[in-house]
Amino acid sequence: EVQLAESGGGLVKSGGSLRLSCAASGFTFSNSHMAWVRQAPGKGPEWVGQITTSSDGGRTDHAAPVKGRFTISRDDSKNTLYLQMNSLKIEDTAVYYCITSGWSHWGQGTLVTVYS
Amino acid sequence: DVVMTQSPLSLPVTLGQPASISCRSSQSLVHSDGNTYLNWFQQRPGQSPRRLISKVSNRDSWVPDRFSGSGSGTDFILKISRVEAEDVGVYYCMQGTHWPQTFGQGTKVEIK
Repeated sequence: EVQLAESGGGLVKSGGSLRLSCAASGFTFSNSHMAWVRQAPGKGPEWVGQITTSSDGGRTDHAAPVKGRFTISRDDSKNTLYLQMNSLKIEDTAVYYCITSGWSHWGQGTLVTVYS
Repeated sequence: DVVMTQSPLSLPVTLGQPASISCRSSQSLVHSDGNTYLNWFQQRPGQSPRRLISKVSNRDSWVPDRFSGSGSGTDFILKISRVEAEDVGVYYCMQGTHWPQTFGQGTKVEIK
């Protein structure tokens, strides 16, 4: 069974940083493109970015609102996906989900709250 | 960005009755590879979203056959043939044809 477990969320002051992790199991992580999606309170989901497999170059792509501030990475030896978030803004407040390629599996999410 | 517009935004339904949600995109969702990357997601209260349907009409394995997706180009529909209590939640359409992937505003399905 595919399982994705996000962690690392919390309360952070505007301008601060956080690193989210997503521990994956139940599938061959190294063969899977992965992505992060967020959902602000009461809003629909929003794609944050994605990373290809390491064999495909580990190429990343980030949404415009987070480009230059957020960085997606992966460690296939640990079956873990990361989201490094810097220069956080109030509008980054959301539940952050990691998802598998094709949007077929989502984690339970981790809440990030940015305050001024 | 491609704008996805859902209607209605709120859908009260009687148990056992059909329901239908419309999703329109601001551009055609036909990809250069010939596929149409239009997904539907269900988000039950307090849960993560789950994919229901991919590429317009392909149900995921967990999805009951009372759910169906149809459409082409810029107009798509999600139908529930007979609403059950477990179908309560918010439904989102999402396009994956154009960068960046974008979602509709969501349609809240509730029981009358």
